[in-house]
Amino acid sequence: EAGVAQSPRYKIIEKRQSVAFWCNPISGHATLYWYQQILGQGPKLLIQFQNNGVVDDSQLPKDRFSAERLKGVDSTLKIQPAKLEDSAVYLCASSPGPIWDREKSTQYFGPGTRLTVL
Amino acid sequence: DQQVKQNSPSLSVQEGRISILNCDYTNSMFDYFLWYKKYPAEGPTFLISISSIKDKNEDGRFTVFLNKSAKHLSLHIVPSQPGDSAVYFCAALELNTPLVFGKGTRLSVIA
Repeated sequence: EAGVAQSPRYKIIEKRQSVAFWCNPISGHATLYWYQQILGQGPKLLIQFQNNGVVDDSQLPKDRFSAERLKGVDSTLKIQPAKLEDSAVYLCASSPGPIWDREKSTQYFGPGTRLTVL
Repeated sequence: DQQVKQNSPSLSVQEGRISILNCDYTNSMFDYFLWYKKYPAEGPTFLISISSIKDKNEDGRFTVFLNKSAKHLSLHIVPSQPGDSAVYFCAALELNTPLVFGKGTRLSVIA
């Protein structure tokens, strides 16, 4: 079974530039998550999709971050414009079912995209 | 305010011995707990979980213990192997809220 795929793996940009990350979840997984992991911290949820609908985006900085999941499969996360404090690893995860279904909520993570903002 | 705390940033253990990684939480509404393992340049990998209705869950060399009254859980790895060297994250769930992660503990297993 193929895992969660993410691209690019690394990205270096200057502040105020735009950047986009792509995620392809495990086939058949209904729920998709984007996390931000700052160095020395645990991952922090940015947004959660159930199929192609947003379930939770309460921690997404909506003035600069946006995400979509077209057709309930692949997803993109965009930052526009980037700030220095956005330097982090952006992790995508997927699970077979929603977070409230404990048996189907185990999250499988991709390798992440390491973003450096100069 | 950190709801999930891993107070030991690092831990070194000799190969073959027991590794014990600790995690404390403050939110009494958490009802499900997970441990993830992370190697460099990879995403976290699910290791083991435990529901709040249990006090122990075992999977091979990995055992998680939950003490609800103390709001404390621990991950035991016996015997420890060099391949276990990684960062271990404790995470907790409350109904309908996002997974909350600790900051992680870096385990080094010395041959």
